[in-house]
Amino acid sequence: DAGVIQSPRHEVTEMGQEVTLRCKPISGHNSLFWYRQTMMRGLELLIYFNNNVPIDDSGMPEDRFSAKMPNASFSTLKIQPSEPRDSAVYFCASSEGRNSPLHFGNGTRLTVT
Amino acid sequence: KNEVEQSPQNLTAQEGEFITINCSYSVGISALHWLQQHPGGGIVSLFMLSSGKKKHGRLIATINIQEKHSSLHITASHPRDSAVYICAVGKGGSEKLVFGKGTKLTVNP
Repeated sequence: DAGVIQSPRHEVTEMGQEVTLRCKPISGHNSLFWYRQTMMRGLELLIYFNNNVPIDDSGMPEDRFSAKMPNASFSTLKIQPSEPRDSAVYFCASSEGRNSPLHFGNGTRLTVT
Repeated sequence: KNEVEQSPQNLTAQEGEFITINCSYSVGISALHWLQQHPGGGIVSLFMLSSGKKKHGRLIATINIQEKHSSLHITASHPRDSAVYICAVGKGGSEKLVFGKGTKLTVNP
């Protein structure tokens, strides 16, 4: 298995632009997670899905952030409009379900100037 | 106070030394995870445990549910073990993980 695949690896954009991050989970995994990592706050859960349904989006910072999972093999995290404080590494992870190990993608390093 | 506390924050060791990283938590958990993040940034799951002890190669993880404490041990440490080690707990019946701030380990040759 190729593991969790995220794209792009790096994204540099200007403030105000729309940013879309993509994730393909491991086939057969029922749960998908979006995390953000910054030096100040460490790893934070933004949102997670179970069987393509959003379960907990309490970590989504504000309305500028949205996430979708249209099918079991694809998810997107969108920021519109982007701001410099959104600069961080965004990780996608998947698992087989509760109390199962997490498998992380390589992350997307986002820089908003 | 954070729900998950790790110590130490930073740790420097000489190759071959025995390493211990500690994690304490203040909430009821369903499972505890140890993760490793290398300087390149990728995150790997090392262990997931809810009781007792697990061993994988030179790594050992233990958990004491009554004391709400877990330790990650590395025997015969090697420079390639240099990484940030992160403790995370799954709260109650949720899949949502709460993360510690991480322990940065540097093993010198």
